[in-house]
Amino acid sequence: SQTIHQWPATLVQPVGSPLSLECTVEGTSNPNLYWYRQAAGRGLQLLFYSVGIGQISSEVPQNLSASRPQDRQFILSSKKLLLSDSGFYLCAWSLGKTGLSGNTIYFGEGSWLTVV
Amino acid sequence: AQSVAQPEDQVNVAEGNPLTVKCTYSVSGNPYLFWYVQYPNRGLQFLLKYITGDNLVKGSYGFEAEFNKSQTSFHLKKPSALVSDSALYFCAVRGSSGYSSASKIIFGSGTRLSIRP
Repeated sequence: SQTIHQWPATLVQPVGSPLSLECTVEGTSNPNLYWYRQAAGRGLQLLFYSVGIGQISSEVPQNLSASRPQDRQFILSSKKLLLSDSGFYLCAWSLGKTGLSGNTIYFGEGSWLTVV
Repeated sequence: AQSVAQPEDQVNVAEGNPLTVKCTYSVSGNPYLFWYVQYPNRGLQFLLKYITGDNLVKGSYGFEAEFNKSQTSFHLKKPSALVSDSALYFCAVRGSSGYSSASKIIFGSGTRLSIRP
């Protein structure tokens, strides 16, 4: 069965410091990978998605970037954090076959980022 | 453009009573509809989805949802609520026209379900 791991679970970082959140998926190949941000325990905002190694699509302009150095690894980064980057970050995956828009998205357990 | 609406921020139900969490959507083409549940400080868990076929979809933890094409709705239901059902529920939609394998899934704003003993 497939599993998704995301770390660290919590992170407190000063303004201006770098960020690296990692996510890996096991038990599947060539998944679609996603980074979401959830603010104030409510709505989800899609930040990035990837359909393959090195292929990243950004949904919103921001202080963050994403990379996919390996098939099942997705990294969210920032060179200099802002206070507004605080939030709950969720990595997710879905099957990566074209034509299957009904594919379910499965989420990791999330990472709490507090920028101070 | 795709959109999904959850008109209620909060739903309060007594334990043992039936519950309904509402969701309406707007998409191009046939919709793919999903429900997720989120417990505090956790990721979202998949409950159920509608792709095609029977309008009544059964999912995890005794939940079900009914797809209504004419009303563009996909309400989540459970015949008898449990206190442990208290959580944040998200409806999501993905359209089928002009899609790629990474076509976006749009999430609603969430409905907080509170079940009182």
